[in-house]
Amino acid sequence: DQQVKQNSPSLSVQEGRISILNCDYTNSMFDYFLWYKKYPAEGPTFLISISSIKDKNEDGRFTVFLNKSAKHLSLHIVPSQPGDSAVYFCAAQPLSNTGNQFYFGTGTSLTVIP
Amino acid sequence: GAGVSQSPSNKVTEKGKDVELRCDPISGHTALYWYRQRLGQGLEFLIYFQGNSAPDKSGLPSDRFSAERTGESVSTLTIQRTQQEDSAVYLCASSWGQALQPQHFGDGTRLSIL
Repeated sequence: DQQVKQNSPSLSVQEGRISILNCDYTNSMFDYFLWYKKYPAEGPTFLISISSIKDKNEDGRFTVFLNKSAKHLSLHIVPSQPGDSAVYFCAAQPLSNTGNQFYFGTGTSLTVIP
Repeated sequence: GAGVSQSPSNKVTEKGKDVELRCDPISGHTALYWYRQRLGQGLEFLIYFQGNSAPDKSGLPSDRFSAERTGESVSTLTIQRTQQEDSAVYLCASSWGQALQPQHFGDGTRLSIL
């Protein structure tokens, strides 16, 4: 039962353009959402997060948008750079649960073309 | 270093052998997680430790898998009588264990079962 879904396994964009990575979730109890970036042979690196009381959080070139009614979040990278080429995972956490387990999507591989 | 450390980085073993994977979390992090990532797949939750509470073992795929954690420090994941389907990257992450705090990952152990 995949509670966090990334329906696009891959995405290619030109350098300088905007990259938009999407994520959908099914559990309305999720309150905290995160994006991670993963290079080959390395562990995922935390990128940006958003809590459910917000609909947007921005950090430099990275912005995460949350649409709770649609159970959808997205990561915007602008401008995209070749170094952004990596696999991006979205994750979610239900704060109201007894545990603090995180639920991950299956990842989207982003390629930024120079 | 200050990050999550996992050892060994690579492990090749014969089917039927037992393996032990080690994780050193970030100092002070009370929460520790183990995940598995098979080739081309997303992150699969295995087990979660939070302080002195009973661990959440709901993700362990079979009774061949077990994990221990000494206080709020080192954790070991043990796989007994390994099977070829156990081949994967095993990732460890730690966090402060509080709301709205991201996980920080190690670089993983790549396990290959011959």
